[in-house]
Amino acid sequence: EDKVVQSPLSLVVHEGDTVTLNCSYEVTNFRSLLWYKQEKKAPTFLFMLTSSGIEKKSGRLSSILDKKELFSILNITATQTGDSAIYLCAVFLYSGGGADGLTFGKGTHLIIQP
Amino acid sequence: DSGVTQTPKHLITATGQRVTLRCSPRSGDLSVYWYQQSLDQGLQFLIQYYNGEERAKGNILERFSAQQFPDLHSELNLSSLELGDSALYFCASSVDQGSAYNEQFFGPGTRLTVL
Repeated sequence: EDKVVQSPLSLVVHEGDTVTLNCSYEVTNFRSLLWYKQEKKAPTFLFMLTSSGIEKKSGRLSSILDKKELFSILNITATQTGDSAIYLCAVFLYSGGGADGLTFGKGTHLIIQP
Repeated sequence: DSGVTQTPKHLITATGQRVTLRCSPRSGDLSVYWYQQSLDQGLQFLIQYYNGEERAKGNILERFSAQQFPDLHSELNLSSLELGDSALYFCASSVDQGSAYNEQFFGPGTRLTVL
């Protein structure tokens, strides 16, 4: 059974701290790993990672994939209260007949305290 | 605003009832995905449609069904509802269903409460 595991499940830090969120996966037909941010409602897309060792960056957020060890990390530097959200990791699978949708982890609930 | 619309926003119903959730994808998107998000199970893929045809199934119960119409909007039908079906139901759309990932844009969700 395809599995995506995120850790920690919950994290509380102070504004300005740097955080690292982890995502490991055991899936078949892996194509890509994605990170989403979910605040009040719909998840919003952050990054897609397909190749090992290539860091993706967007402002204070960055992410990298290790396909050999089957994990990814999401780093947020100089955190702000607006970074408080649930961060979801998902893998995209493809079975040949059609995309299989996204398999999500349970998420990391990040709380940034002022 | 992702461009994906879902109705209704909230739905409260009783056990044993049947409901229909509606989704309109972004203009030009041919694929529609349905997801269920509950506290204990997290966000789970239910089913995917591409240009009117079912393409992939995830953890969708037999009591649930979906379809995609010629105008590409999709409906998710939930029947014989149980308390455990209470959840947030998301629709997402993407350009196509090829082997490369195409970003899925999520709608605002429908919150279903079964009493």
